[in-house]
Formats: sequence, C-alpha cells, structure tokens
Amino acid sequence: KNEVEQSPQNLTAQEGEFITINCSYSVGISALHWLQQHPGGGIVSLFMLSSGKKKHGRLIATINIQEKHSSLHITASHPRDSAVYICAVGAPNTDKLIFGTGTRLQVFP
Amino acid sequence: NAGVTQTPKFQVLKTGQSMTLQCAQDMNHEYMSWYRQDPGMGLRLIHYSVGAGITDQGEVPNGYNVSRSTTEDFPLRLLSAAPSQTSVYFCASSTGTSRRTQYFGPGTRLLVL
Repeated sequence: KNEVEQSPQNLTAQEGEFITINCSYSVGISALHWLQQHPGGGIVSLFMLSSGKKKHGRLIATINIQEKHSSLHITASHPRDSAVYICAVGAPNTDKLIFGTGTRLQVFP
Repeated sequence: NAGVTQTPKFQVLKTGQSMTLQCAQDMNHEYMSWYRQDPGMGLRLIHYSVGAGITDQGEVPNGYNVSRSTTEDFPLRLLSAAPSQTSVYFCASSTGTSRRTQYFGPGTRLLVL
C-alpha cells in the first residue's frame, strides 16, 4: 500500500463546478504539500500546510492531522485549472518528501 | 531570478552511453534534489544535497551519481545509461527541509534506446 494515496485518479468537470481532490497518508508527517503539474510538465507548489486551512484565490487546502487526510478544493473551476494535482508529505526528522501519484483534472467549457 | 533551470530539455541516448543532466538555481537554496517521474508512479527521489559538499542517496540511486561543488549547481550523472532510466527528471530546490516550499525545474525528458 502506498504511503500517500490520492483520489480520484482522474476527474472531469464542467466549468464553474466545485472540485475536491483528496489525499490520505499513513505516516506521521511534518508538513503536506499540494503541487500542480501543467500539461507542459512544469511543477508548481500551491500550498504547504501542517494544520488547519489555507486559501489562495479559488484554491483552498485543508488538513486533518488526526485523520491523516487533506483535501484540495477548487471553487468556480475553469479550463485553465486542467492539470495534474500532486500531494506530497514530508516525513518527520528527514529532508525527504513522499509523493502521491497525482489526480488528473480536466475542466471543460 | 531564473529560479531552477535544467538542461537539456530532451535527450536521446543509446544504452551504455553516459551523460550529465544539469541543474542550477539562483535562489541561494541549500537543499537540492533530483527526482524521476514515471507513468503511474509518484515522483521518486534519486539523490539529494543539504549543502555544498554534502550529498546523500534517495529512494532510487542506482545508476546515478551526483556532486555538489557549489550552492548553485547540482548535476546528475548517468554513467552507463539503461532503458530503465527512460523517464522525466526533475530537479528541485528549497531553503530547508520538507517543511519548506519546493521549487522545481522544468524537467528533462530522457529516452534511452
């Protein structure tokens, strides 16, 4: 079983829909990262959080440490949000990240 | 700032050939890492460095060498390329441990025939 599991693997939506991507992990963590990988391949950091909730524009990330679960929400989705969203966790006392396999999101007009 | 740069963007090698993937950052980051990305798998750590002169192995180090002579540069060497090394390679840097924002390069797509 992977230490970081994302769901769903693939997601399609109509423009304007509310999107939720989930990330569950089985290890203790120091922090959790949400990353975005565009079709061109580049990877960009969206959020890093260790508790609670963060918001940036139409993106919201939450984490529940007790349940070892995080969600990434996209409000009013747009075709430009089409990308692969990757969850990664930092294991305590190491400098290393453990990555999920990603969720591929396609938003249609 | 250019951020994290990688060269080349794309490379084709024959089995047994050697090459170096270049990575450079201009943000004065101490931490630098190399990952490979394969279909259906998450990014996997190859090697990482916590500062100039210090490197360590990640999850999948076999077949790869690294060195860190300066803060800015962290090249990845393939000594004798194998088809199993066909992948997309990403370099990343950050100011500290996994509790810091990660900055990724644009990636190098490598095909080994």
